[in-house]
Amino acid sequence: GESVGLHLPTLSVQEGDNSIINCAYSNSASDYFIWYKQESGKGPQFIIDIRSNMDKRQGQRVTVLLNKTVKHLSLQIAATQPGDSAVYFCAEKSDSWGKLQFGAGTQVVVTP
Amino acid sequence: DGGITQSPKYLFRKEGQNVTLSCEQNLNHDAMYWYRQDPGQGLRLIYYSQIVNDFQKGDIAEGYSVSREKKESFPLTVTSAQKNPTAFYLCASSSREGLETQYFGPGTRLLVL
Repeated sequence: GESVGLHLPTLSVQEGDNSIINCAYSNSASDYFIWYKQESGKGPQFIIDIRSNMDKRQGQRVTVLLNKTVKHLSLQIAATQPGDSAVYFCAEKSDSWGKLQFGAGTQVVVTP
Repeated sequence: DGGITQSPKYLFRKEGQNVTLSCEQNLNHDAMYWYRQDPGQGLRLIYYSQIVNDFQKGDIAEGYSVSREKKESFPLTVTSAQKNPTAFYLCASSSREGLETQYFGPGTRLLVL
């Protein structure tokens, strides 16, 4: 039968601290990456994206870093707030037409 | 108010029953997608459609069917052949220009009675 649900990796962060969420991707030919935020019972929400010709991209309170050498992606959230508590997914474009491959996600818990 | 809507929010299926999940978007997006999400796991692609009247199987299409008669709508039917349908179902869409950036609806949770 289908496997039982897995426990997600959890990152516990104190309010006001910076968060770093990591993601290892699988396909060295992937040329586009996205981070999504998913709150409980809701659909994923786009946060930020980056193409493979860049190493870093910044948004509002978020920064994405791409290390193609080791196939690693990270999302940094500055001054983490209670509203940042959610599951964060990375996704890579693995096909020419835009098919996305999603990671399992990281649960971020912000403590006061 | 632009976006993607999914209905119903919760859906209950009896044994042997087919059920249809609705997905509508008013973003004028060409491509639409259906994903399944199980607890503690990433999203898995069921079906996708890049244009009206055309759709392709994703990674886990068995036991599901779709149609794309209108640009705005991409309904998913969970058939009785899907033996473990309990999951959270997510619909997404993307534009032709920004094909990779998919925007998601709020999801439908399907439960089996």
